[in-house]
Amino acid sequence: DAKTTQPTSMDCAEGRAANLPCNHSTISGNEYVYWYRQIHSQGPQYIIHGLKNNETNEMASLIITEDRKSSTLILPHATLRDTAVYYCIVRVKGRGSNYKLTFGKGTLLTVNP
Amino acid sequence: DAEITQSPRHKITETGRQVTLACHQTWNHNNMFWYRQDLGHGLRLIHYSYGVQDTNKGEVSDGYSVSRSNTEDLPLTLESAASSQTSVYFCASSESGRNEQFFGPGTRLTVL
Repeated sequence: DAKTTQPTSMDCAEGRAANLPCNHSTISGNEYVYWYRQIHSQGPQYIIHGLKNNETNEMASLIITEDRKSSTLILPHATLRDTAVYYCIVRVKGRGSNYKLTFGKGTLLTVNP
Repeated sequence: DAEITQSPRHKITETGRQVTLACHQTWNHNNMFWYRQDLGHGLRLIHYSYGVQDTNKGEVSDGYSVSRSNTEDLPLTLESAASSQTSVYFCASSESGRNEQFFGPGTRLTVL
């Protein structure tokens, strides 16, 4: 499994964009980058994933560098409810088309009023 | 609406007792997972299943077992609870071929 490195914590002002970086320099060609988040005392929540193209959905955007060794999750207009631990995960391929995920310690994003 | 539930939400037990944590999903997902989460650690995978009668060990499987007799349920059993198993336990499921795992609300287990 490719290892990921994330900052332990980050702060962001409410209404501003939050940019969360992740390094995954040992990623292999068929491994995807996933992002999840965990709000205090709740189960983790899937946000977005990508292989090599930039991705956007209703929650966030994912920017993956051309060499795929790093990525950035962007929350375009952070709110107080976005305060959470954000996990960057490189997928481990299981049997067939099934997959299990390995969670690291993530980045605690604190959105300040 | 389809969902994933865990029960009980809170459990206090004594060292040496057998404990079973329930996980039930109504999405008809083939894949189910059990994680534990402790202060200072991220989520650590205990066991997982890719379908009925299939079970696999994760990174912290010692002292835990699972069985998969149907698609909807993956109960987690602690054969002889230890204080080191005091933790918050999360169950998750995902559809074959899809990337998103959906997590339950968690069970907080305390072993005295």
